[in-house]
Amino acid sequence: AQSVTQPDIHITVSEGASLELRCNYSYGATPYLFWYVQSPGQGLQLLLKYFSGDTLVQGIKGFEAEFKRSQSSFNLRKPSVHWSDAAEYFCAVARTGGGNKLTFGTGTQLKVEL
Amino acid sequence: DTAVSQTPKYLVTQMGNDKSIKCEQNLGHDTMYWYKQDSKKFLKIMFSYNNKELIINETVPNRFSPKSPDKAHLNLHINSLELGDSAVYFCASRPGGGPNEKLFFGSGTQLSVL
Repeated sequence: AQSVTQPDIHITVSEGASLELRCNYSYGATPYLFWYVQSPGQGLQLLLKYFSGDTLVQGIKGFEAEFKRSQSSFNLRKPSVHWSDAAEYFCAVARTGGGNKLTFGTGTQLKVEL
Repeated sequence: DTAVSQTPKYLVTQMGNDKSIKCEQNLGHDTMYWYKQDSKKFLKIMFSYNNKELIINETVPNRFSPKSPDKAHLNLHINSLELGDSAVYFCASRPGGGPNEKLFFGSGTQLSVL
């Protein structure tokens, strides 16, 4: 079974600072990896995804993530954080077969100090 | 023109009652889901339907019964509500159900059982 670990429950950064949110996955085959963002009172929105090709993927809102198979990681980065980036961020992994279930990590809450 | 819409947005009810949450998507997607998000923000899949057929049924009490009258609708009925059912329930859809596909989420239904 696949699983996702997000080691950081809360992260606080200053506006304009760089950001890295960590994600480690466990899955026997090539993973399908995703980052979603949830603003307060809202559903989740896809930031980016990876399933093959270039291991550095670009997403919306200036986010990028790098897939590192050797480390089983898919960390999310942003060079300069804006106050509007404050939200909950979820890493997720999908498996093939069995309904292609998407399993989410426990989330990282990002706070941005002005 | 909301893509995935859920009603109601808030649901407050007493223990033992029966309630339903409705979900509709106007994206023409084949696959729909119900996720439960607990107070710690953990998202867990409950059910998935593809073209009205149940394809994922996680370990969920049988008090929870999904119903898909057509592929654009997936409703969730809950019998004999318990305190532990309090959570935010998200409906989601994706085009064909493939593992690399983006999930489109509704804005959630916050269920409070008193």
